[in-house]
Formats: sequence, C-alpha cells, structure tokens
Amino acid sequence: LAKTTQPISMDSYEGQEVNITCSHNNIATNDYITWYQQFPSQGPRFIIQGYKTKVTNEVASLFIPADRKSSTLSLPRVSLSDTAVYYCLVGDFFMDTGRRALTFGSGTRLQVQP
Amino acid sequence: DTGVSQDPRHKITKRGQNVTFRCDPISEHNRLYWYRQTLGQGPEFLTYFQNEAQLEKSRLLSDRFSAERPKGSFSTLEIQRTEQGDSAMYLCASISGSSYNEQFFGPGTRLTVL
Repeated sequence: LAKTTQPISMDSYEGQEVNITCSHNNIATNDYITWYQQFPSQGPRFIIQGYKTKVTNEVASLFIPADRKSSTLSLPRVSLSDTAVYYCLVGDFFMDTGRRALTFGSGTRLQVQP
Repeated sequence: DTGVSQDPRHKITKRGQNVTFRCDPISEHNRLYWYRQTLGQGPEFLTYFQNEAQLEKSRLLSDRFSAERPKGSFSTLEIQRTEQGDSAMYLCASISGSSYNEQFFGPGTRLTVL
C-alpha cells in the first residue's frame, strides 16, 4: 500500500473551512484514496473516498489533482464536534484479494477552538 | 453507533493473565478484521476473517495472540500470558461482501495490563 504523509496537527476556529492535505507520491493506478475520522475512545469512522477530481458528500469534500500524488480533505464550517484525528489511506481497496485491511498512518489531529 | 459491538469496553488485568475480547459485527457482513491501536498511533491490522475462515493471521503480534470466528458471526480475540506491552485499544471492524471499501468499526476494547 502506498505510504501517506499528512500534517501531525492543525488548529482551527468554529465556522472556518479546514483543508487537510495528504501526500501519496507512490499511489498506484488502481489505488483509491479514503479518509477516516476518529474521536477519542471510539473506532475510526469512514468519511469519504475518491479516485480522481472531486467528490462531495454531506460531510466533506475530497479534492484530488490530476497527478493523484496528493489529496485534500475539506471540512466546511467546522464546529467543536469536528475535533478529531483524521486519517488518509491509499490502497487498492476494490481488489478482491480478501485482504482489504486498512493501513493507517498517525493521522492529523484537528483541534477546533470556539 | 456503527452496528458493530465489542465487549468488554474496558479490561484491566495483571501481567500473565489471559484475556478474551468479543466482537459482534453487523449481521450481514461476512468479513471481519481485528486491529490494535496504541496511544498516538493509527490502528494496526492484526488478523482477518471471511465468514469463519481466518485468511490472514501473519500480522498477529506473537503466538500469544489468537482469534476465532467459529460460526462466521461473532469473533473472539484472545491474548495469553499478557504483558504490559499489550496495553492498547483493540478494535474490530466489519465489511460486507460487496466491493465497497467502507469498514465499520466497533468502539474498541481498551486493555490495561498492570
């Protein structure tokens, strides 16, 4: 699985847009990009997944440039409840090897202030 | 609540004791994963089941770790002769047989070995 690099931590204020960028220079042709969110003392929760260009759901947007060597998770108008760790993962999750274990890095700790 | 439950949520034990954790995945999900998470790190894959078959166990940390999923429903993770280094959060996740990647994580079992 491709290695990912993301900032260790970020700070923001309520109501602001937060963009977390992840680098994945060795991404393979079949790899997808997935983001998970984790609150303290809880398991990770799927946020969004994409392959190229832009994906948007009710929670976030994911921007992927043409070379796919990076991706940016965008959280619009964050609130205090968005304080969490955000993980960027890259892998061929659709390959039916039966071994779709996720490889997590250390993630980005987002702290939202009032 | 993702629909994946784990029991117990917290376990405190003395070094050398055996512990067993249980995971109940979403009922229609045939794939089940166990992860371990230490403080400040992302989850680390341990083992994987498809129905009752354990298809990947090479990542289990030592021969003191074992897992079962006898009827393809719930799963147990056992640690024998616990060591202080086993203190961590143990997470379970499940996924349906479809190709969509989203893994549903349980709340985890936090193990403290004294």
